[in-house]
Amino acid sequence: AQTVTQSQPEMSVQEAETVTLSCTYDTSESDYYLFWYKQPPSRQMILVIRQEAYKQQNATENRFSVNFQKAAKSFSLKISDSQLGDAAMYFCAYRALEYGNKLVFGAGTILRVKS
Amino acid sequence: GAVVSQHPSRVICKSGTSVKIECRSLDFQATTMFWYRQFPKQSLMLMATSNEGSKATYEQGVEKDKFLINHASLTLSTLTVTSAHPEDSSFYICEWGVNYGYTFGSGTRLTVV
Repeated sequence: AQTVTQSQPEMSVQEAETVTLSCTYDTSESDYYLFWYKQPPSRQMILVIRQEAYKQQNATENRFSVNFQKAAKSFSLKISDSQLGDAAMYFCAYRALEYGNKLVFGAGTILRVKS
Repeated sequence: GAVVSQHPSRVICKSGTSVKIECRSLDFQATTMFWYRQFPKQSLMLMATSNEGSKATYEQGVEKDKFLINHASLTLSTLTVTSAHPEDSSFYICEWGVNYGYTFGSGTRLTVV
């Protein structure tokens, strides 16, 4: 079964600094997608970044980038120049067509940003 | 961009009553959508997969007779929580999509008293 593991229940970062959130997953599929979602107190799910497994290049969206290690089944999120608005719950998630396209989420990491 | 409207955003109901949650895609059509549930301080868990024109597929442990899904069209799906109990109090959120371009609704916070 596909599983997603986030081993950091909570992380803190100083404003303007860099933080990395960890995520590992388990799958037997070769074609899949990985995501990082941000969930602020409003609970709206906001897509931060997406990575296609067939792409070797790591995805980047402004201050957000990932380190995708397919062989190691690792998918970490790096947030650079952290801002107060980055404080939220972050979920790592996996999706595969062969698995019905449904999202499998990790347990989440609460990110706190200190001013 | 894709917009998904979910209503109501918050609802409080009495134990034993039914509640309907509506999820509508405003600017695209899709055959498949997902309903997730999130208990406080927990992750999102898939409840069911819904395809337009066919019966929904429920995840293990989710009662299909309690959580009724009606996927009426390519733009509208509803989740009805029947005979709600306090343990059904949760955050319910839908997700619509085409291929890998999925979008979440804004979610519904259900409180059963």
